[in-house]
Amino acid sequence: EPEVTQTPSHQVTQMGQEVILRCVPISNHLYFYWYRQILGQKVEFLVSFYNNEISEKSEIFDDQFSVERPDGSNFTLKIRSTKLEDSAMYFCASSKTGTVTDTQYFGPGTRLTVL
Amino acid sequence: GEDVEQSLFLSVREGDSSVINCTYTDSSSTYLYWYKQEPGAGLQLLTYIFSNMDMKQDQRLTVLLNKKDKHLSLRIADTQTGDSAIYFCAETFRDYGQNFVFGPGTRLSVLP
Repeated sequence: EPEVTQTPSHQVTQMGQEVILRCVPISNHLYFYWYRQILGQKVEFLVSFYNNEISEKSEIFDDQFSVERPDGSNFTLKIRSTKLEDSAMYFCASSKTGTVTDTQYFGPGTRLTVL
Repeated sequence: GEDVEQSLFLSVREGDSSVINCTYTDSSSTYLYWYKQEPGAGLQLLTYIFSNMDMKQDQRLTVLLNKKDKHLSLRIADTQTGDSAIYFCAETFRDYGQNFVFGPGTRLSVLP
């Protein structure tokens, strides 16, 4: 069965550094998402992306965050200058049509640790 | 804003039924979902229910929705050790975009 993959599985960085989290969505999917889960807290929506542009973003997704689909297969989340509070598990997801009854497939996550 | 709450832990014996509960605040929710997260894995969609339904059954899973009380439950019949995971309730109030609001997750432990 096709699956969403994410790399790296764990990223450790120093505060103030830039990080790029990578995701390879399922190949025929058109809608892409990033979520994060701070340890012990809820899964939170960050951003959705369709047709090479952001379709929706949450309050968490401020100017420090950006997303890109650089080459038609990868979908990246960049954090420009990491803060301690960015430490979390980041999940990428994709779906075919973006409708609420369409299954959203999640990747296994990247654990980001900011020191 | 929207909020989704769940109890954090549940332990059951293998073979028993598990009932995981969820409450939500947004009465305009259109769809409610149950996701499962196994250790080291992403979230896997188990089932969803449209807000005009009361119940949905899918093999060992039964979802009950009480819209008046804004209460959703997931019943797993004949719980197995492989069902041990974190179960997330989620809602959306729109027809597109899948901007979900997730609950904190219930950690289900199945004891032999």
